[in-house]
Amino acid sequence: EDQVTQSPEALRLQEGESSSLNCSYTVSGLRGLFWYRQDPGKGPEFLFTLYSAGEEKEKERLKATLTKKESFLHITAPKPEDSATYLCAVQAGRGGADGLTFGKGTHLIIQP
Amino acid sequence: KAGVTQTPRYLIKTRGQQVTLSCSPISGHRSVSWYQQTPGQGLQFLFEYFSETQRNKGNFPGRFSGRQFSNSRSEMNVSTLELGDSALYLCASSLGVLGELFFGEGSRLTVL
Repeated sequence: EDQVTQSPEALRLQEGESSSLNCSYTVSGLRGLFWYRQDPGKGPEFLFTLYSAGEEKEKERLKATLTKKESFLHITAPKPEDSATYLCAVQAGRGGADGLTFGKGTHLIIQP
Repeated sequence: KAGVTQTPRYLIKTRGQQVTLSCSPISGHRSVSWYQQTPGQGLQFLFEYFSETQRNKGNFPGRFSGRQFSNSRSEMNVSTLELGDSALYLCASSLGVLGELFFGEGSRLTVL
């Protein structure tokens, strides 16, 4: 069974204080690992796709990296508007159109 | 370009009733997926439709069903509602790019 575990569950940072969120996964044949951001009362918003170990993607203050067992979402000099729940998801390579398996997310608060 | 639209946004039902939720995908998106989000379990995959055909189904009882129409709009139905069905039901549409889903704001169902 595919599993995705995110840590920490919650993280409070001061504005400008960089940190990393972790996503550990167990999956039979990874087709892709995905990061989403979810704001309160909204649906998740797609951020990144990572396909293979060693791959990195960047967008503004966010950088996602992937190893064979985990992914990190690095947040550099965050601003209050980066406050959100960050979700990690995987899709297995069993063929067909399997749905995504999501972790429970990291609730990030950036204090001004 | 309009995003994914879900209706109704909020609804309250009692145990034993049934409910139908509606989703209009982004224009041109032929894939529609449904997810259930709860505080305890996070986001869980329900099913995916493509060109009116269910391509895959998550691990939910048969009380959960769905369909897709020729214009790609989708509905999901939950029969014989239970208290545990209280959740945010999210619809997502896709152009078919792996893992890149566009979510609506969800339908929040409360079962009393």
